[in-house]
Amino acid sequence: DTAVSQTPKYLVTQMGNDKSIKCEQNLGHDTMYWYKQDSKKFLKIMFSYNNKELIINETVPNRFSPKSPDKAHLNLHINSLELGDSAVYFCASSQDLAALEQYFGPGTRLTVT
Amino acid sequence: AQSVAQPEDQVNVAEGNPLTVKCTYSVSGNPYLFWYVQYPNRGLQFLLKYITGDNLVKGSYGFEAEFNKSQTSFHLKKPSALVSDSALYFCAVRGDTGGFKTIFGAGTRLFVKA
Repeated sequence: DTAVSQTPKYLVTQMGNDKSIKCEQNLGHDTMYWYKQDSKKFLKIMFSYNNKELIINETVPNRFSPKSPDKAHLNLHINSLELGDSAVYFCASSQDLAALEQYFGPGTRLTVT
Repeated sequence: AQSVAQPEDQVNVAEGNPLTVKCTYSVSGNPYLFWYVQYPNRGLQFLLKYITGDNLVKGSYGFEAEFNKSQTSFHLKKPSALVSDSALYFCAVRGDTGGFKTIFGAGTRLFVKA
């Protein structure tokens, strides 16, 4: 069973479109994260939710809106996509906010043309 | 502010030789330190962590890391490299004084040749 899953795995879309990436974890964890990995493999946190509550909101354009319908799911919606949004987006989870070990999903490769 | 530096973009080592991947950090308070590995087209996998105690931490797949407080370093090591160890390795840090943000380094690509 996949612990942290993301859909879709690949996403190719045009500038200006709106798209969503879904993430689900079956580990029973309270905390979930979204990270962006750019073309140079640099990994940067975007958001963190704990029990459906937003905890970390880095300086991310407000075109990015996370939504957590329950603590097992954290989706990422992106409006008005731009070329610079092209990256690999990783979802991760941890047992709780204090837990140090994070479990990562396989990533979603977003390409904006 | 927290930061992590991985000074080498790539490390090359022959199979069977020892390997070291370097990491230095800056953090407020005491550090929690981690190593993760990323194989091609995969998410990151946790390798090991340092919280407190023994400066030498053992992790998965025969990897270990040495915490050095005076040098603010947390280098990843393995006594005998395998070709299958070839991957991208990330060092990460979180401080123990407030905040729940883990900062990742830029990654070091390890290439082990047969």
